[in-house]
Amino acid sequence: DTEVTQTPKHLVMGMTNKKSLKCEQHMGHRAMYWYKQKAKKPPELMFVYSYEKLSINESVPSRFSPECPNSSLLNLHLHALQPEDSALYLCASSRGPPGGAYEQYFGPGTRLTVT
Amino acid sequence: DAKTTQPPSMDCAEGRAANLPCNHSTISGNEYVYWYRQIHSQGPQYIIHGLKNNETNEMASLIITEDRKSSTLILPHATLRDTAVYYCIVTGGYQKVTFGTGTKLQVIP
Repeated sequence: DTEVTQTPKHLVMGMTNKKSLKCEQHMGHRAMYWYKQKAKKPPELMFVYSYEKLSINESVPSRFSPECPNSSLLNLHLHALQPEDSALYLCASSRGPPGGAYEQYFGPGTRLTVT
Repeated sequence: DAKTTQPPSMDCAEGRAANLPCNHSTISGNEYVYWYRQIHSQGPQYIIHGLKNNETNEMASLIITEDRKSSTLILPHATLRDTAVYYCIVTGGYQKVTFGTGTKLQVIP
């Protein structure tokens, strides 16, 4: 099973809402990632969890809060977002930490619209 | 991270081989070359990676030049489903993966 699942597929939220994105993998991977992708642009790394610890935070605003409850689950908590945060949010996982010979497997993404 | 340069777009006739080039002239010895693709509105898909030697799997072949400053991804018999943005990425030594702008491959019937 090489599947990374993400829920929900689509999310519309107001600027005062609090919502969460969920990502799950059952491949035994020890690194998980959040990326943000704006239309017609490449994915941009937001966070990396390695062995359930936050190892990379790409200076992401605090209105995005990641959480890794266990090795299979990754959440992204959203609060007080801005319309410019509307994007496709991608989750990925890999057998080991970033770099090296560990390819990443991506989920289908959550399309987020902030109104 | 080593920077990669790819042509912004390419066309390929269906059934023909698609050869996608990538320049990575500043690659260092412990860095791998990875290829991913992203079909419209889907998550990126891993294709192949290599360090020094040429590699082949069920999806594609990766040819890396001897000086490792460039590589070519080969899709041997392109189909319409191969229409996508193809990203060449160089990473290694626990560096994060950084996507460049990629090559938009259009397979033409």
